Amino acid sequence: GNSVTQMEGPVTLSEEAFLTINCTYTATGYPSLFWYVQYPGEGLQLLLKATKADDKGSNKGFEATYRKETTSFHLEKGSVQVSDSAVYFCALPFSGGYNKLIFGAGTRLAVHP
Amino acid sequence: DTEVTQTPKHLVMGMTNKKSLKCEQHMGHRAMYWYKQKAKKPPELMFVYSYEKLSINESVPSRFSPECPNSSLLNLHLHALQPEDSALYLCASSPTGGSPETQYFGPGTRLLVL
Repeated sequence: GNSVTQMEGPVTLSEEAFLTINCTYTATGYPSLFWYVQYPGEGLQLLLKATKADDKGSNKGFEATYRKETTSFHLEKGSVQVSDSAVYFCALPFSGGYNKLIFGAGTRLAVHP
Repeated sequence: DTEVTQTPKHLVMGMTNKKSLKCEQHMGHRAMYWYKQKAKKPPELMFVYSYEKLSINESVPSRFSPECPNSSLLNLHLHALQPEDSALYLCASSPTGGSPETQYFGPGTRLLVL
């Protein structure tokens, strides 16, 4: 079945640093791919998504490109802010036909001033 | 309005208590979900309702009992819980429950079982 592997955290950066969080997946076919973000004390929010190979999802300065050659969907941001401190989850749909999300383990990002 | 609301925000209960969690959305979505999230872990799916009918139960113990009174409301009734059930309970919704759809999450209810 579909699965996702996400880089271990925590990731600690200074403000304005470049961010990459790695995500690789195993799947049948080319499923949609998602990044969700969970700010402290909150639920999850969709950050961005890509529905087909070579698509680039983008939102709030974050980007991720669906690369089928490397089965990857790495999250990047050119200049992080303190307000980006959160847990980031890479996700893809369950292969069993209903709308269940398979989440990565999550990567905690801490940005310091 | 892209908001899913959940009440209460926090709940403390004993192992013999009965309590309920409530979730509401006004986006016209016809699929609603309950997730359980332990600290430092991703959410785990518990139940899926599609068009007010329970479509998926991920082998959840019977001490958790979901209910969907109408297309906007989702409840989770709790009875005889164990301390290991302490977690953040998240509700989500999506347009129809088809795959793959974006799910919209509420802020969660943080549950502590003593």
